[in-house]
Amino acid sequence: AQSVTQPDIHITVSEGASLELRCNYSYGATPYLFWYVQSPGQGLQLLLKYFSGDTLVQGIKGFEAEFKRSQSSFNLRKPSVHWSDAAEYFCAVGEAAGNKLTFGGGTRVLVKP
Amino acid sequence: DGGITQSPKYLFRKEGQNVTLSCEQNLNHDAMYWYRQDPGQGLRLIYYSQIVNDFQKGDIAEGYSVSREKKESFPLTVTSAQKNPTAFYLCASSRDPWPQHFGDGTRLSIL
Repeated sequence: AQSVTQPDIHITVSEGASLELRCNYSYGATPYLFWYVQSPGQGLQLLLKYFSGDTLVQGIKGFEAEFKRSQSSFNLRKPSVHWSDAAEYFCAVGEAAGNKLTFGGGTRVLVKP
Repeated sequence: DGGITQSPKYLFRKEGQNVTLSCEQNLNHDAMYWYRQDPGQGLRLIYYSQIVNDFQKGDIAEGYSVSREKKESFPLTVTSAQKNPTAFYLCASSRDPWPQHFGDGTRLSIL
């Protein structure tokens, strides 16, 4: 069965500093990978997705993620964090057949002024 | 603007009561989904529907039911058989496989 691990439950970062969120997945076939962001009390917004091709994918809000098959990882990065980036971030892996997504437990990001 | 509307934002259920959560989309998407979110557990799939009048169980369908009579609507009923219904419920839709647009959720609590 597929699974997703986000090792960091909370991360605190200073405004203007770089951010990296870790995501490790377990999936037997070629993974379809996603990052979502959730502001408090709201739904999720898709930041970026990886299906195939270039392993470095660009998303919205200045985020990027790199797929590393050898490490089963899909880490999310942002060079310079803004206060509005404070939110919870979810990594997810999709099955090739069907519409199922398996989500990680999430990483909550706090931004210090 | 197109989007997904979930209502109500907050809902309370009494013991033995069924409650229905509404989800409407005007994105003309074929696929719709219901997820349950509990703190620290990410999202878990309850049901999904790829076309009208068809839906499939997700990982935690027990105690829940859905219908898909119209493309725009995918209501979720939390039945009295669901013994631990307190959670944040999210509806989503997509044109492609896997959910891409989410509503703002309904928080269900037990009285």
